[in-house]
Amino acid sequence: QKEVEQNSGPLSVPEGAIASLNCTYSDRGSQSFFWYRQYSGKSPELIMFIYSNGDKEDGRFTAQLNKASQYVSLLIRDSQPSDSATYLCAGTRMDSNYQLIWGAGTKLIIKP
Amino acid sequence: DTEVTQTPKHLVMGMTNKKSLKCEQHMGHRAMYWYKQKAKKPPELMFVYSYEKLSINESVPSRFSPECPNSSLLNLHLHALQPEDSALYLCASSQDRGDYEQYFGPGTRLTVT
Repeated sequence: QKEVEQNSGPLSVPEGAIASLNCTYSDRGSQSFFWYRQYSGKSPELIMFIYSNGDKEDGRFTAQLNKASQYVSLLIRDSQPSDSATYLCAGTRMDSNYQLIWGAGTKLIIKP
Repeated sequence: DTEVTQTPKHLVMGMTNKKSLKCEQHMGHRAMYWYKQKAKKPPELMFVYSYEKLSINESVPSRFSPECPNSSLLNLHLHALQPEDSALYLCASSQDRGDYEQYFGPGTRLTVT
């Protein structure tokens, strides 16, 4: 079992709808989670991070963390074609020597 | 705009060549990272520098040699690479090694012929 798992997609969402990206993790010791957006041929860009249970909102983005269910999600409201990218979820764990543990990424396609 | 810069953007090199990748960050961060990323895969950590000292080397072959001349600069020296080393090489930085918020440069697309 991979430590951080994401559905590779592609996830296709109509423009203006809510895109929901999900990530599960296996290590209950994981403490914080990061969402990176990566456009094709470009580098990852940090868009959200969350440390505590619950929701964290930043503009059109909401990160959700449920430690009991070992589940992290990223919601994108009012999806735009420019949101089409691969979204990488990364977590941490206490014995990871300060390294991020990466999921494989979910490809999101926003259809006009 | 990224505050982590990398040069060159693209590099094609033969297996006998020696080349270097360069990274500079302007955020006052004290931890810097080299990652390798193959197509449709997440970044793979290669090296971590903390306060200009190498703190993590993820069993990377010796044909990759990192160098941190000062807190803002990070180099990756390449020698005798193999075609399978072709990838996107990413530099990242964070406030310090214990800070997981890492910010990436634009990357160098390396092709080994």
